[in-house]
Amino acid sequence: SQQGEEDPQALSIQEGENATMNCSYKTSINNLQWYRQNSGRGLVHLILIRSNEREKHSGRLRVTLDTSKKSSSLLITASRAADTASYFCATDPQGAQKLVFGQGTRLTINP
Amino acid sequence: NAGVTQTPKFQVLKTGQSMTLQCAQDMNHEYMSWYRQDPGMGLRLIHYSVGAGITDQGEVPNGYNVSRSTTEDFPLRLLSAAPSQTSVYFCAASPGRIYEQYFGPGTRLTVT
Repeated sequence: SQQGEEDPQALSIQEGENATMNCSYKTSINNLQWYRQNSGRGLVHLILIRSNEREKHSGRLRVTLDTSKKSSSLLITASRAADTASYFCATDPQGAQKLVFGQGTRLTINP
Repeated sequence: NAGVTQTPKFQVLKTGQSMTLQCAQDMNHEYMSWYRQDPGMGLRLIHYSVGAGITDQGEVPNGYNVSRSTTEDFPLRLLSAAPSQTSVYFCAASPGRIYEQYFGPGTRLTVT
């Protein structure tokens, strides 16, 4: 089964609103990453948060990590049409040499 | 600096045929990996490599082989294609699994 699971699977909001996506995982991790994928393209790295960090910002992106709940959230503020994409979390489980991706959240920004 | 390149972009195979998906990177990164992406399944790890000469299996390795003779190249071989291998395949490279992964543009494979 997947290490990381995103919630919701799909999200549709109006331009200018904030979008929040969540990621839950099962085992202890070293870090967690978020990626964006535009339709038909490869994944692009957005942000990495380490297990000893609780919050990280990058432009309009804010990521939080709660290791006690084994969950992370990605907040996109003041959304734009160009933010329409799928968003994936990826975890680096402790003791494993692998990076494991979740199933993704499909975000649609309506004009 | 091309980053990660994948060839071909599209491929149609008949059941039972074999082929190799090519992946090359010019960033001198040690860690490379192959994923397949299916609708509703996200990305699933097929094989990965932590350096030249070292490979290991991911979640869904059956039906696929890899080798890593150089730092730059990490080809994925389909031994005997099956319709279940119809998917989009992505190659990625990075300094290590704990770092940002750089993805190629993908290969869309259809097996009939």
